[in-house]
Amino acid sequence: QVQLQESGPGLVKPSETLSLTCTVSNGSISNYYWSWIRQPPGKGLEWIGYNQYGGISNYNSSLKSRVSITVDTSKNHFSLKLTSVTAADTAVYYCARQRTRGSHPFDYWGPGTLVTVS
Amino acid sequence: SDALTQPPSVSVSPGQTATIPCYADRFDNKYVCWYQQKPGQSPVLVIFQDTKRPSGIPERFSGSSSGNTATLTIRETQAIDEAHYYCQAWDVSAVLFGGGTLLTVL
Repeated sequence: QVQLQESGPGLVKPSETLSLTCTVSNGSISNYYWSWIRQPPGKGLEWIGYNQYGGISNYNSSLKSRVSITVDTSKNHFSLKLTSVTAADTAVYYCARQRTRGSHPFDYWGPGTLVTVS
Repeated sequence: SDALTQPPSVSVSPGQTATIPCYADRFDNKYVCWYQQKPGQSPVLVIFQDTKRPSGIPERFSGSSSGNTATLTIRETQAIDEAHYYCQAWDVSAVLFGGGTLLTVL
């Protein structure tokens, strides 16, 4: 069973950079899109972006200027960087594995990590 | 790109059938997925590619799509089905999520 686990600071100061890592266990990091999704408290899901090892990546147009997702196959993990954060970036951040065909579903999710900007 | 629109809430009595719609200006060739999210938990995939169920998801859950509407149907609804449900589609290499529907089992 594939498992994903987010890690990183739970508190980030305004204007600084949010950095999170997602470690993938029991599965290869190749052949999928590796994605980040966030959920502000009490609100719905917002897609942040994905990266597939080999160079394919795409980001939510509303965040594109501030976000970067990278994949490290040697460590079987992928990372999120979001720059110039504000209180509006406070959310539970989920990492997820996304299939690359059909409806491109997110079939495995991490438990999520709350990041507060304050 | 299209937005996905869901009603904020749907109510159903135990044992009855719940239907949760997801509207887009047009779905064209876009397939739809559905996720169930309970409080404090990560979302769980319950339907992908409009109609397919992942292993482990009860047969009570089904999906359909026609025109500009995708629908999640839950037969014989139980109290454990009370949750938020989100639709998701893939559009020009980007992901769209609906705003979510809270299913209440009264």
